[in-house]
Amino acid sequence: GAGVSQSPRYKVTKRGQDVALRCDPISGHVSLYWYRQALGQGPEFLTYFNYEAQQDKSGLPNDRFSAERPEGSISTLTIQRTEQRDSAMYRCASRQGLGRTSGNTIYFGEGSWLTVV
Amino acid sequence: SQELEQSPQSLIVQEGKNLTINCTSSKTLYGLYWYKQKYGEGLIFLMMLQKGGEEKSHEKITAKLDEKKQQSSLHITASQPSHAGIYLCGALIQGAQKLVFGQGTRLTINP
Repeated sequence: GAGVSQSPRYKVTKRGQDVALRCDPISGHVSLYWYRQALGQGPEFLTYFNYEAQQDKSGLPNDRFSAERPEGSISTLTIQRTEQRDSAMYRCASRQGLGRTSGNTIYFGEGSWLTVV
Repeated sequence: SQELEQSPQSLIVQEGKNLTINCTSSKTLYGLYWYKQKYGEGLIFLMMLQKGGEEKSHEKITAKLDEKKQQSSLHITASQPSHAGIYLCGALIQGAQKLVFGQGTRLTINP
């Protein structure tokens, strides 16, 4: 696609339900990042992938959160047994290359608003 | 994130005044990004700095990178109401692979 696509754009779910958020990066982009952003705050790093390999998941808040990118393209962020405190904007970004000088422009999706009621 | 600190957290300036926002990293920087965000909206890319001493400008916004000090500054000259918003710095760390963000600076321009 032309840009980073996220779905759903808006999700309202009941506490205790599982949710899956999808990110479709720009075709061929190697790195994919997930962030959570509360209103008025900066994006909070969750995890990132190079190709299909999850490189760093230190930002995932707890074991209810997981992410995968099985074929090195589309990624899914899953939140199990959602809680109200999980309500936030979840953003995905992708980057073409690795390292310092190759394809360093980072493209963000529009985000997925999650509301847990 | 704790790896990237922005200051100030909020800033109120009168229209026409100059201002500076700072971003300091506790880790080695491999690239520094500046974004602007309107409340609740998407991230607008402003500029990226890669080399120590590099300086870039876009309209009335100038950003500089001091690689040795692991910090960047964003300077706005003759501020306008359209400059209002949240400014975010993002940094590539860990061998230029992990991208982390500061907590943002909320800029308000008073007429």
